[in-house]
Amino acid sequence: KNEVEQSPQNLTAQEGEFITINCSYSVGISALHWLQQHPGGGIVSLFMLSSGKKKHGRLIATINIQEKHSSLHITASHPRDSAVYICATWGDKLVFGAGTILRVKS
Amino acid sequence: DTGVSQDPRHKITKRGQNVTFRCDPISEHNRLYWYRQTLGQGPEFLTYFQNEAQLEKSRLLSDRFSAERPKGSFSTLEIQRTEQGDSAMYLCASSLSGTIETQYFGPGTRLLVL
Repeated sequence: KNEVEQSPQNLTAQEGEFITINCSYSVGISALHWLQQHPGGGIVSLFMLSSGKKKHGRLIATINIQEKHSSLHITASHPRDSAVYICATWGDKLVFGAGTILRVKS
Repeated sequence: DTGVSQDPRHKITKRGQNVTFRCDPISEHNRLYWYRQTLGQGPEFLTYFQNEAQLEKSRLLSDRFSAERPKGSFSTLEIQRTEQGDSAMYLCASSLSGTIETQYFGPGTRLLVL
């Protein structure tokens, strides 16, 4: 059974700071999602990646398949980035981490 | 707006009552997933459909839970004889089957059982 662990659980940052959220998983996967969930519950898929690195605006996601580890980076963080960031791995189904609660203060 | 809609968005019910939730996926998506999310946790898989066939059910889905997707389009999730432990956010997602799928999530139905 795949276990997905995220760190940190909670993160508070000042506007403009560089942020890193980590995700580790325990078994081989075919792909990994990074998702963003805002208060009220709506979930948006940010990235799906199976190798290397992807970039979209101020967001960068990397994955190391050998080390079973992925990171989500936010550059020049802004209060509107405040949300829960969830890592989810694709094996035969999506398995989700517990999420990282990010609060960016202005 | 991802194109996946869920109804209702919120439901408050008394213990013992039955509730039914609806999910309308993106129209060309053949796969539909139901997840449950409790406070402070990531979503947990409940069940999924490919077209109208229910292909997998989690052990989390007790006999009080039933899901259908009769015409391979919208889906319903029914909980019978609700218990306080059923209080959660119920999320629906849809995708197009393939080697690597992007799932598009609905806004969720928040259930509170009193």
